[in-house]
Amino acid sequence: DQQVKQNSPSLSVQEGRISILNCDYTNSMFDYFLWYKKYPAEGPTFLISISSIKDKNEDGRFTVFLNKSAKHLSLHIVPSQPGDSAVYFCALFNAGKSTFGDGTTLTVKP
Amino acid sequence: EAQVTQNPRYLITVTGKKLTVTCSQNMNHEYMSWYRQDPGLGLRQIYYSMNVEVTDKGDVPEGYKVSRKEKRNFPLILESPSPNQTSLYFCASSLAPGSTYEQYFGPGTRLTVT
Repeated sequence: DQQVKQNSPSLSVQEGRISILNCDYTNSMFDYFLWYKKYPAEGPTFLISISSIKDKNEDGRFTVFLNKSAKHLSLHIVPSQPGDSAVYFCALFNAGKSTFGDGTTLTVKP
Repeated sequence: EAQVTQNPRYLITVTGKKLTVTCSQNMNHEYMSWYRQDPGLGLRQIYYSMNVEVTDKGDVPEGYKVSRKEKRNFPLILESPSPNQTSLYFCASSLAPGSTYEQYFGPGTRLTVT
């Protein structure tokens, strides 16, 4: 059974609007939650992280929200830009062991 | 320049012929990890290492070996490759266990086993 799910394989957003990417998990033992962005033919690039003791972390246009009771993680990008078009993965860690979601392809239209 | 390097970037081999994919980082990171990515799927962890001489299995370790004899290198060994190990492989490193796990990834190695 998949421990981490990104239920939306794709998302299309207009430039300047908000992009919201979601990630649901089942194991309450995860202690760090991260988002990565990936362009074709490149390795993933770290975006933002949050520890299990927090519920929100901001870094510029990117905000990550963690709802532990719902076992739900989300990434908000405001305002969205065409350069944000990529595949986004959530990654959850528990004592060094990581589990990634299958990814959401974000397309930001000019 | 801070980076994770992998070699080779592309490899086509035959079933059963032992191979090694090298991974090296120049950031003095303690934590290193190997992943594989298959079409339409996320990254699945093969092995990880919290520090020198310390390695642990990820979710898909079968058919792979690793070693961590020095901090900067973390090679992935396939003793007897099979076609189901055809995949895109990524190596990653981060500062220390218990930190944010902000990982730096290598560019990937595309392996084809015929």
